[in-house]
Amino acid sequence: GENVEQHPSTLSVQEGDSAVIKCTYSDSASNYFPWYKQELGKRPQLIIDIRSNVGEKKDQRIAVTLNKTAKHFSLHITETQPEDSAVYFCAASIGSGSQGNLIFGKGTKLSVKP
Amino acid sequence: DSGVTQTPKHLITATGQRVTLRCSPRSGDLSVYWYQQSLDQGLQFLIQYYNGEERAKGNILERFSAQQFPDLHSELNLSSLELGDSALYFCASSARSAGNYGYTFGSGTRLTVV
Repeated sequence: GENVEQHPSTLSVQEGDSAVIKCTYSDSASNYFPWYKQELGKRPQLIIDIRSNVGEKKDQRIAVTLNKTAKHFSLHITETQPEDSAVYFCAASIGSGSQGNLIFGKGTKLSVKP
Repeated sequence: DSGVTQTPKHLITATGQRVTLRCSPRSGDLSVYWYQQSLDQGLQFLIQYYNGEERAKGNILERFSAQQFPDLHSELNLSSLELGDSALYFCASSARSAGNYGYTFGSGTRLTVV
């Protein structure tokens, strides 16, 4: 069935460095790719998303890139700060219309050391 | 406040018991999704409802069931509870299709089975 692979599972960086998280998906019909940030004990929150007709999207220190041919997409965080420490989940859409759904990767635990 | 309301926030119950988790979606959202998140685990999709009808099923155990009512709120029923059912249960809602709009998570219900 549809699958989203995410790596690395854990990532530790120094404050100010960049962090990159990569995901691959299996369903070639997927056309929407959101990223969620989950702080400890809290709900996942959407931080950025990209649609299949776009190759890259930026929002301040966060950017996402998409390679449809290779079926992979990546989250890039620049100038990391301690408050970026969290678990990040990528997701890919499956189905359409009222049956639209998201399949999530297993998450990446990012630790930013001061 | 995300607009998705889940109650209760915490629930402690004994093995073999039955509990009901409740979710009220964001105003105007027709789709409701249920996810299970065990300790240090990813988001496991359980079930999706759209405007009162079941639309997709994930890894939902036979001991679990759900429904969406005419006012669009949803309930997840967990019966014959086992220790392994202890987890955070998230509800999410979307306007129409998560494949186009992504979705918004509630704050979750933390279930502890003792």
